[in-house]
Amino acid sequence: AQSVTQPDIHITVSEGASLELRCNYSYGATPYLFWYVQSPGQGLQLLLKYFSGDTLVQGIKGFEAEFKRSQSSFNLRKPSVHWSDAAEYFCAVTHMEYGNKLVFGAGTILRVKS
Amino acid sequence: NAGVTQTPKFQVLKTGQSMTLQCAQDMNHNSMYWYRQDPGMGLRLIYYSASEGTTDKGEVPNGYNVSRLNKREFSLRLESAAPSQTSVYFCASREQGGTEAFFGQGTRLTVV
Repeated sequence: AQSVTQPDIHITVSEGASLELRCNYSYGATPYLFWYVQSPGQGLQLLLKYFSGDTLVQGIKGFEAEFKRSQSSFNLRKPSVHWSDAAEYFCAVTHMEYGNKLVFGAGTILRVKS
Repeated sequence: NAGVTQTPKFQVLKTGQSMTLQCAQDMNHNSMYWYRQDPGMGLRLIYYSASEGTTDKGEVPNGYNVSRLNKREFSLRLESAAPSQTSVYFCASREQGGTEAFFGQGTRLTVV
């Protein structure tokens, strides 16, 4: 069955430090991959997406993600975290081969300490 | 520029009551989705509709039914609410293929 794993439930980083949030997927074909962010009490906002081509994709708010087929991973990175980045981050996966189902990981809560 | 609109935003039900959550999108998207969000469990797919006229079960369909009324509207019905259905419900829509989903603002449902 298709699945998405975010191994880290919580991550705490200092403001100005670098960040990497992990995402692994289990799909037969190379899926379409997304990262979303959710601030407390808010809806979901798209950070970036990968469909094909360059495996390093740039998103909004200074985020980037790298698709690694060999590791079935799509990790989210940011070189320098700001206090306003504190939120919950979700990785999501879909593919037309699987009926266009859109599946999310369990999320990673990011805390930023000053 | 409404996007995805969910109603209601808040609801309290008694155990055994029924209700329908409404969702409408104005982006002419083919696919629509219903998720529930619970702490530590992310967004779990309840049902989805890949295109008008089709619906499919997701990860947690038990206790729910859906109707794709037309291309714009996708409703979620709880026939007999249970406390375990206390959650925040999100509706989303997207085009097929490699496009992102757009989400409503959510419905916070409490079943007492």
